[in-house]
Amino acid sequence: QVQLQESGPGLVKPSETLSLTCTVSGGSISSYYWSWIRQPPGKGLEWIGYIYYSGTTNYNPSLKSRLTISVDTSKNQFSLKLSSVTAADTAVYYCARRMVGATGLDYWGQGTLVTVSS
Amino acid sequence: QSVLTQPPSASGTPGQRVTISCSGSSSNIGSNTVNWYQQVPGTAPKLLIYTDNQRPSGVPDRFSGSRSGTSASLAISGLQSEDEAHYYCAAWDDSLNGPVFGGGTKLTVL
Repeated sequence: QVQLQESGPGLVKPSETLSLTCTVSGGSISSYYWSWIRQPPGKGLEWIGYIYYSGTTNYNPSLKSRLTISVDTSKNQFSLKLSSVTAADTAVYYCARRMVGATGLDYWGQGTLVTVSS
Repeated sequence: QSVLTQPPSASGTPGQRVTISCSGSSSNIGSNTVNWYQQVPGTAPKLLIYTDNQRPSGVPDRFSGSRSGTSASLAISGLQSEDEAHYYCAAWDDSLNGPVFGGGTKLTVL
């Protein structure tokens, strides 16, 4: 059974960089697209970006200037870095796997709350 | 402001059938398939329906989906108390080259 687990600091100061890692277990990171999704408290879901296991990326234009997503296939991990954060970036951050041949996200991490505050 | 439009709330009594609508545009629902997610508060979203009307393994056949034009809908028949959750529609958007989501519908089982 594939499992995803987000890890990283739960508190980030304004103007600093938010860094999260998603570790994939129970399956290989190869041959899949991997996404980051976030959900501000009490609000809906927002797609952040995705990365293919080969390293190809695509980012939400609203975050593109501040965003880097990378993959480490040797560790079965992919990571998110969001720079110059503000309170508006406070959210639960999820990592998720996109299905092969479809756009549905079939496996999700449990999510991690990141609060931006001084 | 979400790209896809859903009613903020829906409700029904046990055993009833309820539907949740999702409206988009030609760049998303009009040209790409729709997925639906169920989210119980405090937990991660769970894929409920993919490619308009396909159910992942383990999802009861009480849940069904459809798409027509730039709209889609999720139907839940034989409503049960454990169906109380938030439901989100999503579709690939050709302009974004990524998925867009609805604002979510909170389903209450009365």
